[in-house]
Amino acid sequence: AQTVTQSQPEMSVQEAETVTLSCTYDTSESDYYLFWYKQPPSRQMILVIRQEAYKQQNATENRFSVNFQKAAKSFSLKISDSQLGDAAMYFCAYRRWAGNTPLVFGKGTRLSVIA
Amino acid sequence: DGGITQSPKYLFRKEGQNVTLSCEQNLNHDAMYWYRQDPGQGLRLIYYSQIVNDFQKGDIAEGYSVSREKKESFPLTVTSAQKNPTAFYLCASSTPGGGSIEAFFGQGTRLTVV
Repeated sequence: AQTVTQSQPEMSVQEAETVTLSCTYDTSESDYYLFWYKQPPSRQMILVIRQEAYKQQNATENRFSVNFQKAAKSFSLKISDSQLGDAAMYFCAYRRWAGNTPLVFGKGTRLSVIA
Repeated sequence: DGGITQSPKYLFRKEGQNVTLSCEQNLNHDAMYWYRQDPGQGLRLIYYSQIVNDFQKGDIAEGYSVSREKKESFPLTVTSAQKNPTAFYLCASSTPGGGSIEAFFGQGTRLTVV
């Protein structure tokens, strides 16, 4: 079974600075998807970024980018120019390539942004 | 607007009662999922369904039941056998293709045992 580990329960960053959230995963499969979701105080789950394992290029969405290291099974999220609205729980998730299968989530990292 | 609707937003249950959480989607997604969220535990899978009239147990299915009679609907029943039901419950759906491989989530239901 696949597992996802987020080793940082809490992180903080100064406004306008950069922060990196860590995620590692365990799988024996070669093709899969990885995601970062954001859960603000409203508790609505919002997709931040996704990465297909077959793609070597790291995904980027505006101020959010990932560092995908397939051999190391690492998938970190970098948030640049942090804003107060970035404060939230962040979840890393894994999904198998084949079929319509459930996402497997890490336990989350709570990010605080300091003004 | 397409999306996933969970109801109610807040639900209170007396010990020994069964309660049913509603989840409806109009995204035409084949698969639907129920997750439970507790502080420090992330999201844990309760049940999922990949097609109508079929569903599979997730990691923490004990004390829960589901049905999938319609593509749009995937209700979750929390039975009296669930010893610690107080939690936040999230419903999600997904489709395997079309360039959209992520799961979409409802706004959640907060269940409290009183």
